[in-house]
Amino acid sequence: EAGVTQFPSHSVIEKGQTVTLRCDPISGHDNLYWYRRVMGKEIKFLLHFVKESKQDESGMPNNRFLAERTGGTYSTLKVQPAELEDSGVYFCASSPRGVPNSPLHFGNGTRLTVT
Amino acid sequence: QKEVEQDPGPLSVPEGAIVSLNCTYSNSAFQYFMWYRQYSRKGPELLMYTYSSGNKEDGRFTAQVDKSSKYISLFIRDSQPSDSATYLCALDGAGSYQLTFGKGTKLSVIP
Repeated sequence: EAGVTQFPSHSVIEKGQTVTLRCDPISGHDNLYWYRRVMGKEIKFLLHFVKESKQDESGMPNNRFLAERTGGTYSTLKVQPAELEDSGVYFCASSPRGVPNSPLHFGNGTRLTVT
Repeated sequence: QKEVEQDPGPLSVPEGAIVSLNCTYSNSAFQYFMWYRQYSRKGPELLMYTYSSGNKEDGRFTAQVDKSSKYISLFIRDSQPSDSATYLCALDGAGSYQLTFGKGTKLSVIP
């Protein structure tokens, strides 16, 4: 079984530019989550998809962040325009629906550096 | 006060030692308690999951939860160099997987 795949693994952009991160969850996992770790801070929840629907986006920091999951398969997280404080590691995770106590499977993250 | 407090370490122990990792929390709404292990440049990997006070054992790992004290622990017996990683506690209030993480404790097991 292939794990959660994130692309790119590392991105360096200038302030004001746009970046799009991609996540491919484990096949068949309806739940998809985005988390972020900013330098020196804890990993924090951003949002949760169930299939293509946003279940909870309470952790999204502001409207410069846009997450999509068209067709309920892979997801993208766009940051536009990027600011310095957006630097960090962005993790995607997935889990199957309707399976009690099923753990989150995390990808290896995208390390975003905004200069 | 942070919702979850975890000493970031670093913690260095000799091979074979018993390791104790801890988190405290302030929100009594947390009902699910997890420990994740994260190797460098990798994503977090679930080690232990529990939702009640008491102990849960899995091989060399024991998770302990004391809801009355809002205190959770992970014990590693007979630690191995391959256990060298960052250990993160993660708490959940409603089983929704909107996890609240500790900062993580970086552990090094010296051969």
